[in-house]
Amino acid sequence: GAGVSQSPSNKVTEKGKDVELRCDPISGHTALYWYRQRLGQGLEFLIYFQGNSAPDKSGLPSDRFSAERTGESVSTLTIQRTQQEDSAVYLCASSLAMGGQGQFFGPGTRLTVL
Amino acid sequence: AQSVTQLGSHVSVSEGALVLLRCNYSSSVPPYLFWYVQYPNQGLQLLLKYTSAATLVKGINGFEAEFKKSETSFHLTKPSAHMSDAAEYFCAVRPGGSQGNLIFGKGTKLSVKP
Repeated sequence: GAGVSQSPSNKVTEKGKDVELRCDPISGHTALYWYRQRLGQGLEFLIYFQGNSAPDKSGLPSDRFSAERTGESVSTLTIQRTQQEDSAVYLCASSLAMGGQGQFFGPGTRLTVL
Repeated sequence: AQSVTQLGSHVSVSEGALVLLRCNYSSSVPPYLFWYVQYPNQGLQLLLKYTSAATLVKGINGFEAEFKKSETSFHLTKPSAHMSDAAEYFCAVRPGGSQGNLIFGKGTKLSVKP
């Protein structure tokens, strides 16, 4: 497709379960970003992949959060032992190289932890 | 640390009136600056960007923003509000250097009264 896609669009899970969120970036975009948007808040940076470089994990809130990216394609964000405070919309974005031309966002995955 | 401050979590204007959404940033290096718009139940859409070229930047839907280094500001304006402009607007900075992620403000919700 032409844009960033994310799946699932909605995920409801029970506290303590693991969840995996998927992002398909725009073809040719070497940079990929994950953000979290809690209700009524701005976006919170989680992790950033640029090409084959080591990812910038400085935004991950705890070791329950991890992400992987295969080459310059799909990325998965995994949250282990989910907690209620993990409930948020998880947004993925991609861009060319360093993103000076802007990041393009997917529609997000709304995660609800019961 | 870099940060973005958006003054006013809610702004209400009448249709046809000037729209002014304020954004101030802090950055130790020349930044890249962005405005994103989020319409109800939709994803983030890039409105405009400043990448060290012209200080007055024109975006989509009649919006523009002016980069003022002396004031560390990047306020968003539109001469005449339309009902369809009702949305949440986010200012973001990419600090520069090797840091590729965006730092977002908390957002300003714009309401347009008929």
